[in-house]
Amino acid sequence: GQQLNQSPQSMFIQEGEDVSMNCTSSSIFNTWLWYKQDPGEGPVLLIALYKAGELTSNGRLTAQFGITRKDSFLNISASIPSDVGIYFCAGQFLNTGTASKLTFGTGTRLQVTL
Amino acid sequence: DAGVTQSPTHLIKTRGQQVTLRCSPISGHKSVSWYQQVLGQGPQFIFQYYEKEERGRGNFPDRFSARQFPNYSSELNVNALLLGDSALYLCASSLRREETQYFGPGTRLLVL
Repeated sequence: GQQLNQSPQSMFIQEGEDVSMNCTSSSIFNTWLWYKQDPGEGPVLLIALYKAGELTSNGRLTAQFGITRKDSFLNISASIPSDVGIYFCAGQFLNTGTASKLTFGTGTRLQVTL
Repeated sequence: DAGVTQSPTHLIKTRGQQVTLRCSPISGHKSVSWYQQVLGQGPQFIFQYYEKEERGRGNFPDRFSARQFPNYSSELNVNALLLGDSALYLCASSLRREETQYFGPGTRLLVL
């Protein structure tokens, strides 16, 4: 099935550093979401973006909905050990009569060292 | 408030068997979606149900079926299990079809 291109695939950073990851698609979406998934658990919603160009923050997390509607990025500032996990972007295209399914990215595995 | 709940948490089956997975949405949510997550990949859409009707289906064979009950809970059934069906099966609920989806912890299925 289709997956969005997410980069980087993995990253090791030191505690206190800022992190950036992005997600690109060949097709447009009208909603972008970012989820975090810990091993053996379901994805947890971090940020939802509903409008092209929108910039939204949730604590140390900031995400933007690209103006082309084909990309999004997520920044994490001043990383801490509990930020470890896999981050997934997901795009959603809403159309009358069709499923509002989520199309997920390939994931970014984040590891934070002390 | 309770989040999305799924049962069982883990399941081991053999090839050819059938399995039923269950999901209870967040209270007040009327839409349930099912996703399959193979190890190392992002979740893949299987089904979406809203108001007890199927609203969409992903690229999965007819061995996969689902239904939604009057209380908005849902079951996912998989027949004639294959080794490749081993995965984490995730359920997500939303207020309505187009609203933000919140995921449960998943059911990990292992097919031997």
